[in-house]
Amino acid sequence: EAGVTQFPSHSVIEKGQTVTLRCDPISGHDNLYWYRRVMGKEIKFLLHFVKESKQDESGMPNNRFLAERTGGTYSTLKVQPAELEDSGVYFCASSRQGWDGYTFGSGTRLTVV
Amino acid sequence: GNSVTQMEGPVTLSEEAFLTINCTYTATGYPSLFWYVQYPGEGLQLLLKATKADDKGSNKGFEATYRKETTSFHLEKGSVQVSDSAVYFCALRSNDYKLSFGAGTTVTVRA
Repeated sequence: EAGVTQFPSHSVIEKGQTVTLRCDPISGHDNLYWYRRVMGKEIKFLLHFVKESKQDESGMPNNRFLAERTGGTYSTLKVQPAELEDSGVYFCASSRQGWDGYTFGSGTRLTVV
Repeated sequence: GNSVTQMEGPVTLSEEAFLTINCTYTATGYPSLFWYVQYPGEGLQLLLKATKADDKGSNKGFEATYRKETTSFHLEKGSVQVSDSAVYFCALRSNDYKLSFGAGTTVTVRA
């Protein structure tokens, strides 16, 4: 089966601009997660979708971040306006119902200059 | 809350050397413990896991034992290869679907 796909793989934007990251989960995976690793620190949870519903968005840092998952398929994570501290690697993961482990994507490296 | 502390890197080794990466955790309840690995240019991959105390996870020559008494899950490999060069993350899952990760340890193995 195809894995979790994220794009772009890299993005460099200026402070104040908008960036949208996309994640395509494995087909049939109801659970979709976003995580990010900032400046070589720990990977931190951002939010969790079950199908199209936000199950847990406790890790979203502020209201400049907006995640959507229309139709319960792919998800987007928009940062608007981007700040320097948003630079990092954004990972997406998906899983089937219940807990059977995640499959992670390769991540999007975001650099805000 | 849950937290994971792992050995800071970077770690540089010669081929066939012994590798240990320390990991300790703080968690409520009885967490499951994981080691993930990120090879250059790739995504996070599950390396091994343990779901209860005294379980030993193993894969690709790596091992880690869930030690409840010391709240630790140290990763070990007896003889590393150049292909083991990667970033290694210790992680735990408690009562929900979220994973809590350590900061990652970059390992470089030289021929």
